[in-house]
Amino acid sequence: RKEVEQDPGPFNVPEGATVAFNCTYSNSASQSFFWYRQDCRKEPKLLMSVYSSGNEDGRFTAQLNRASQYISLLIRDSKLSDSATYLCVVSPFSGGYNKLIFGAGTRLAVHP
Amino acid sequence: EAGVTQFPSHSVIEKGQTVTLRCDPISGHDNLYWYRRVMGKEIKFLLHFVKESKQDESGMPNNRFLAERTGGTYSTLKVQPAELEDSGVYFCASSQDWRATYEQYFGPGTRLTVT
Repeated sequence: RKEVEQDPGPFNVPEGATVAFNCTYSNSASQSFFWYRQDCRKEPKLLMSVYSSGNEDGRFTAQLNRASQYISLLIRDSKLSDSATYLCVVSPFSGGYNKLIFGAGTRLAVHP
Repeated sequence: EAGVTQFPSHSVIEKGQTVTLRCDPISGHDNLYWYRRVMGKEIKFLLHFVKESKQDESGMPNNRFLAERTGGTYSTLKVQPAELEDSGVYFCASSQDWRATYEQYFGPGTRLTVT
């Protein structure tokens, strides 16, 4: 079983749509959670950290459910520029050091 | 401020040859990480340096891979001898601190093709 599982997509949505991505992780001792964005043939870039209380950054809302080991990302009012691969990332407890465990990513394509 | 840089951007080598990848972290970042993505798979952690010390090398696939960070500045990752399954994109990342609250900044990656 993979440590971080995501639906690979692709999700094809029109501009203005709301889209939600989900992710599950297997290590219940995981400490930190993130969503990264990766454009085609580019490096991953941090989109947002995910906190137990849920957090929002503009059109993006992230939620964490530790009991279910489940992370979500909601994108409202999708823009063409949101087209990318969204990576669910977990940092396990490994002596306190911060190695990142990546999911395989969910591809989003926003069309006019 | 310059970001993380990696060299080369692409490398095509034959099976059995040696390749050395270089990563220059953001200035002042003591923490340097190597990751790789092989075709169709997720990005996987290889190792973590704190300054010049290897803090965690649990992700290194085998002893054909050697990472160094002499002087605690730039790092190199040598693959010797390269095998076909080593093909993929090798990313380097750096952070100011090892804790998760400190963002890891990724370089553009080196795309390695072993033929």
